[in-house]
Amino acid sequence: EAQVTQNPRYLITVTGKKLTVTCSQNMNHEYMSWYRQDPGLGLRQIYYSMNVEVTDKGDVPEGYKVSRKEKRNFPLILESPSPNQTSLYFCASSSRDSSYEQYFGPGTRLTVT
Amino acid sequence: AQSVAQPEDQVNVAEGNPLTVKCTYSVSGNPYLFWYVQYPNRGLQFLLKYITGDNLVKGSYGFEAEFNKSQTSFHLKKPSALVSDSALYFCAVRDGWTGGFKTIFGAGTRLFVKA
Repeated sequence: EAQVTQNPRYLITVTGKKLTVTCSQNMNHEYMSWYRQDPGLGLRQIYYSMNVEVTDKGDVPEGYKVSRKEKRNFPLILESPSPNQTSLYFCASSSRDSSYEQYFGPGTRLTVT
Repeated sequence: AQSVAQPEDQVNVAEGNPLTVKCTYSVSGNPYLFWYVQYPNRGLQFLLKYITGDNLVKGSYGFEAEFNKSQTSFHLKKPSALVSDSALYFCAVRDGWTGGFKTIFGAGTRLFVKA
């Protein structure tokens, strides 16, 4: 089954404790993105990747890091989480062949206290 | 700079009536336009897209959207609403000319369909 998986699905952590949210897709898509969803703000793109070792900032990259060492994986790293990073995070993948429609993961709900 | 506006936070419609969810956009190059739907406690699902060609595009679950270049709009429509259409709808735009993958989403419109 074609899918995007994210782990963990739920995470409660404390300020400053480094964390990684994993994202993996099995569709051989070249494009991957991370978004955060906040009430009234819709989805905001954090980072995106156009292929292995090619990443670029979205609209809200501050406080986040990404890497794309393999085509299928695109982890999101929060080196020093803060309460304003409490949000619902989505990973998505896409392909030129499908005219860039995005396939989304199930989401990760992160709470930073 | 790219931007997307969904002017209505909420749209209410009776089952069986037509529905419209509005979206306007701003992009410097060639717009790639998308609609996504989010059901409660679920991820986002793709509904339809406009890349090029016919201005009226048809998508999943009986939805369609019309690309209007002069009004920079991409409104989502359905001739007859179902209660099961109740969800959060997002319009998104990508600049097709920049070569990047920067994608802007609107704030979302919550659709309520009453039986």
